[in-house]
Amino acid sequence: AQSVAQPEDQVNVAEGNPLTVKCTYSVSGNPYLFWYVQYPNRGLQFLLKYITGDNLVKGSYGFEAEFNKSQTSFHLKKPSALVSDSALYFCAVRAPNDKIIFGKGTRLHILP
Amino acid sequence: SQTIHQWPATLVQPVGSPLSLECTVEGTSNPNLYWYRQAAGRGLQLLFYSVGIGQISSEVPQNLSASRPQDRQFILSSKKLLLSDSGFYLCAWSVLRDQFFGPGTRLTVL
Repeated sequence: AQSVAQPEDQVNVAEGNPLTVKCTYSVSGNPYLFWYVQYPNRGLQFLLKYITGDNLVKGSYGFEAEFNKSQTSFHLKKPSALVSDSALYFCAVRAPNDKIIFGKGTRLHILP
Repeated sequence: SQTIHQWPATLVQPVGSPLSLECTVEGTSNPNLYWYRQAAGRGLQLLFYSVGIGQISSEVPQNLSASRPQDRQFILSSKKLLLSDSGFYLCAWSVLRDQFFGPGTRLTVL
């Protein structure tokens, strides 16, 4: 069965420090992986995706994600965090039946 | 470019009243459409998805129903709302591999 795990409910990072939000997945076949960000009372915004090709994917707002097939991970990263990055982040995988399966979300707090 | 609309943005309804939330997509044809519910600002629960007009798949048994009367219109309904129907409802569309979300509707059932 397809699944996505975000092991951290919350991540706290000081402004200017690098950040990592973790995601692991389980899917049959080639994984199509996504990261979304959600600000309070808003819809989810697409950040980036991995379909194929380079393992390091660059996305919006300076975020990037590293696909690691052997570890079945797709961690979200940013070299220098901003207070405005504070939000709820979702990792997702596309299942073979075209449904998108989401992780439970990780709340990112950037401390000034 | 593609745009997705949801209305209303917020809604307060009494228990037992009917519900109709509407979602429309512009700038694309034959999208897959989805309804999600998000409780307490956390995880997303897929409620319904549709691959075409009149084609609805329900993910969980519940008090809600969905309809797709037109290619780019997706409606979430209920005949009688329950307190547990409160939440943030998100419509999404996808073509090929990417999925995009609408702004959401905050429903409070009192």
